[in-house]
Amino acid sequence: DAEITQSPRHKITETGRQVTLACHQTWNHNNMFWYRQDLGHGLRLIHYSYGVQDTNKGEVSDGYSVSRSNTEDLPLTLESAASSQTSVYFCATADRSRDTQYFGPGTRLTVL
Amino acid sequence: GENVEQHPSTLSVQEGDSAVIKCTYSDSASNYFPWYKQELGKGPQLIIDIRSNVGEKKDQRIAVTLNKTAKHFSLHITETQPEDSAVYFCGPGGADGLTFGKGTHLIIQP
Repeated sequence: DAEITQSPRHKITETGRQVTLACHQTWNHNNMFWYRQDLGHGLRLIHYSYGVQDTNKGEVSDGYSVSRSNTEDLPLTLESAASSQTSVYFCATADRSRDTQYFGPGTRLTVL
Repeated sequence: GENVEQHPSTLSVQEGDSAVIKCTYSDSASNYFPWYKQELGKGPQLIIDIRSNVGEKKDQRIAVTLNKTAKHFSLHITETQPEDSAVYFCGPGGADGLTFGKGTHLIIQP
């Protein structure tokens, strides 16, 4: 069955370190998204990609970057981790319609 | 941008009773209206969705109704069961993306 995997599932890091969260999908979807989930804020869009070499900023993109070198992967990088980036991060994909989104299991990131 | 409000934030119902969660949105261009269920420690899972050319859609115990004129849509769960306990999110939008509500914590009382 097609799926979305995220790794690691849990990560603790220190302020100032670079961190990369992985997202891998076997749906063969062109459209991929990164969200963060915080209490009181719901799901907020960080970055998204509509295909290889395409990346776009979302609502809360400051301090984050993504790159898309193939269809299956969209890694999310925190250039210099800050305590405000402590959150649960979800990757999602969408088919050709771009609207129906499927979510991965999430990565819980703690920045100390 | 889209403004989305979801009510109530917490809903407690007796097992077997019905639950209704409402989502209001601001962007009249939205044409896709999904509901997601999120269990503790898991990612959101799509449970039902509706497009703007349809007023109601039902799948067993769950249904979604849409009022495009008033810009709101609702999730209906009948004959609630313990496994329905979760956080539910609406996410109106379309091909340009989805904007999610802050979630409703549904508690099923035995």
